[in-house]
Amino acid sequence: QKEVEQNSGPLSVPEGAIASLNCTYSDRGSQSFFWYRQYSGKSPELIMFIYSNGDKEDGRFTAQLNKASQYVSLLIRDSQPSDSATYLCAVNKDSNYQLIWGAGTKLIIKP
Amino acid sequence: DTGVSQDPRHKITKRGQNVTFRCDPISEHNRLYWYRQTLGQGPEFLTYFQNEAQLEKSRLLSDRFSAERPKGSFSTLEIQRTEQGDSAMYLCASSYGPGGDEQFFGPGTRLTVL
Repeated sequence: QKEVEQNSGPLSVPEGAIASLNCTYSDRGSQSFFWYRQYSGKSPELIMFIYSNGDKEDGRFTAQLNKASQYVSLLIRDSQPSDSATYLCAVNKDSNYQLIWGAGTKLIIKP
Repeated sequence: DTGVSQDPRHKITKRGQNVTFRCDPISEHNRLYWYRQTLGQGPEFLTYFQNEAQLEKSRLLSDRFSAERPKGSFSTLEIQRTEQGDSAMYLCASSYGPGGDEQFFGPGTRLTVL
């Protein structure tokens, strides 16, 4: 079992709809959870982080964390073509600063 | 712009040559990380520094790889005797502690080993 798992996609969503991206992790000691967006050929860009169970909203983005189920998700409301990218989930390892990364989910927003 | 910078952005080298990459973190950030990323994969942790101290190094990192962060400012990553399998994007990130650890990435250095 991989330490951080994501569906590779591609996930195709119509423009204006909600995109839902999911991530599961194996280390119960993890405390910090991050979502990064990566455009093709570019470096990852931090879009959300969450440390506590529940929801965290920032503009069109909502991160959801459920530590009991070892599950973190990212919702993108009112999806735009510019949201088309690969979304990477990262989780800290053993409460230190090293991040373990999923392989990413490719999201395609169709106009 | 005061983001993370990396130099060079692209490097093409022949197998067996040595290469060195530089990373300048965001000025107030005390932690600096090196990652390697290949197509279709997430970043793979290589090493990280807190100030000038190298606190962790991946077991996957062979002894051909070495990193330094003199004076706790910029960092260099050197790969000796490059192999074709070293071809990848090398990413540098920095963060500020204590507390949360949001890491901010530079643009990366794309290495091609012929």
